[in-house]
Amino acid sequence: SQELEQSPQSLIVQEGKNLTINCTSSKTLYGLYWYKQKYGEGLIFLMMLQKGGEEKSHEKITAKLDEKKQQSSLHITASQPSHAGIYLCGADDTGFQKLVFGTGTRLLVSP
Amino acid sequence: EAGVTQSPTHLIKTRGQQATLRCSPISGHTSVYWYQQALGLGLQFLLWYDEGEERNRGNFPPRFSGRQFPNYSSELNVNALELEDSALYLCASIQAYRRRIEKLFFGSGTQLSVL
Repeated sequence: SQELEQSPQSLIVQEGKNLTINCTSSKTLYGLYWYKQKYGEGLIFLMMLQKGGEEKSHEKITAKLDEKKQQSSLHITASQPSHAGIYLCGADDTGFQKLVFGTGTRLLVSP
Repeated sequence: EAGVTQSPTHLIKTRGQQATLRCSPISGHTSVYWYQQALGLGLQFLLWYDEGEERNRGNFPPRFSGRQFPNYSSELNVNALELEDSALYLCASIQAYRRRIEKLFFGSGTQLSVL
């Protein structure tokens, strides 16, 4: 089945700095989802990317999908303490009828 | 509109006991997924119920089981609890499963601690 690898595993950035989180798939991506999780809580949907080259933005968060590279990136501009949490990418494990997730990237934003 | 609700929020059990976790999907959603998130690990797929039937299960032993009721709410049962079952258990729902999964709506989870 499909596996997703995220990098970096953890990240500490100073408030106001930009950052990028990557998600690489072991198989062709047919849909890529980004979620945010506050520690010990459920997942909040951020964005869904379905087509190669697609790019979506929500407030200061932008995600891109590179189908050829089987990769997606999540970019945060001018980070704020409210951006802190765990970011997870998920993909439809086509044929296995389930959504698989990466291991997550823990983000801390220092004031 | 109410989101996915899970109960209880926290559950403390001792090794060998049984745990029951509950999930109510968003109104109109017929498909429920269960995931386990152990400390330091990602989300591991546990079970998928759709229209009252178990459609798929992850690589977990048979002591992890569940069911979906006619009102589409779901229950996860873990028998003969082991220490490594301590984790956050997340439930998610979608309106209906089509050829491809669309956006999953997650509950806040049940934190299970096995002592």
